Amino acid sequence: EADIYQTPRYLVIGTGKKITLECSQTMGHDKMYWYQQDPGMELHLIHYSYGVNSTEKGDLSSESTVSRIRTEHFPLTLESARPSHTSQYLCASHDRAANEKLFFGSGTQLSVL
Amino acid sequence: RKEVEQDPGPFNVPEGATVAFNCTYSNSASQSFFWYRQDCRKEPKLLMSVYSSGNEDGRFTAQLNRASQYISLLIRDSKLSDSATYLCVVGMDSSYKLIFGSGTRLLVRP
Repeated sequence: EADIYQTPRYLVIGTGKKITLECSQTMGHDKMYWYQQDPGMELHLIHYSYGVNSTEKGDLSSESTVSRIRTEHFPLTLESARPSHTSQYLCASHDRAANEKLFFGSGTQLSVL
Repeated sequence: RKEVEQDPGPFNVPEGATVAFNCTYSNSASQSFFWYRQDCRKEPKLLMSVYSSGNEDGRFTAQLNRASQYISLLIRDSKLSDSATYLCVVGMDSSYKLIFGSGTRLLVRP
């Protein structure tokens, strides 16, 4: 149903590596979001974007960065991964109206060794 | 104080039971309200939006009480497949940011 895709689904990587988590949607949504979620815990908003060239930090401080050069693409980058970055990262999008439902990607489970 | 608060549960109920969850929110300017369902290690999916007059979708009924700043979800005739975490989500039209509660875990046993 949802046309929002995240890759990779799982990533195991060593400390110090640079990583990019991909998120793409084909629905033409302006609003895109990155959430971080640890097992059994709540989702925390770490980045959001209201459109091309618009990016904002979320409520939870994160060392990651994002970019929004194209409407459909909202990648998240960690310049130097650390074990504390181990978590699930969920990308989401929705349309202009605030009462439109949020579509989530399947998530990327990141493990930093 | 968290912006959106939920009882974490778990609520352990037998099949066929009726169960209700509440969620409170702190910002009186909140405009949009939702219940999402999240299965273990999966992404959240919209269960239903919550409207001012209350709304029903099959076995699920959602209510909004603006005066007391809470929303509720009632599940009738619980099924085993209802076992999941139910997330309360609140948004403000002005910002389009959606705030998630930490979720209420439901376990339906045979």
